[in-house]
Amino acid sequence: GQQLNQSPQSMFIQEGEDVSMNCTSSSIFNTWLWYKQDPGEGPVLLIALYKAGELTSNGRLTAQFGITRKDSFLNISASIPSDVGIYFCAGLYRSEGSYNTDKLIFGTGTRLQVFP
Amino acid sequence: DTGVSQDPRHKITKRGQNVTFRCDPISEHNRLYWYRQTLGQGPEFLTYFQNEAQLEKSRLLSDRFSAERPKGSFSTLEIQRTEQGDSAMYLCASSSRESRGVYNEQFFGPGTRLTVL
Repeated sequence: GQQLNQSPQSMFIQEGEDVSMNCTSSSIFNTWLWYKQDPGEGPVLLIALYKAGELTSNGRLTAQFGITRKDSFLNISASIPSDVGIYFCAGLYRSEGSYNTDKLIFGTGTRLQVFP
Repeated sequence: DTGVSQDPRHKITKRGQNVTFRCDPISEHNRLYWYRQTLGQGPEFLTYFQNEAQLEKSRLLSDRFSAERPKGSFSTLEIQRTEQGDSAMYLCASSSRESRGVYNEQFFGPGTRLTVL
């Protein structure tokens, strides 16, 4: 199935460092979402972006919706051990017809490891 | 807890057996989605419901898979004659219509991990 390109694939950083990851697509999306997934659990929604150019923060997390609507990035500042996990971007694909279909197209994930 | 719940959390079965998973969405969310996630990949869309109507099915959903949402509340996903390639995490998500009339934010359950031996 279709997946978005997410980079880097993995990151190993020291506690306190800032982290940046991004997501690119060949298709335009009207909504970008960022999720975090812990092992054996479902993805947890972190940030939702609705407008091209939008910059949104949630605590130490900041995400931006690219101007071209084909990319997004997520920054984590001052990382802490509980930031460990896999981060997924997701674009909301909406097709319109007799009813509106919306489904998420996920990225390939960025695995974050934080060392004390 | 008012989040999305799924049952069971883990299922081990032998090839050829049938399995059924249940998802209870967030109360009053009228859209419910099923995704499948294999190791090292992001979730992939399988199907979704608006109330009790199943409105779209992915090509990933072979004829051995069937999903229902009989009363527009909980949903079940059944896999018949399981194959080893069906081993994956099956995730359920739900969403509600926002004030702008769009469904944007999908909230996921903890998933059901299926292992087919």
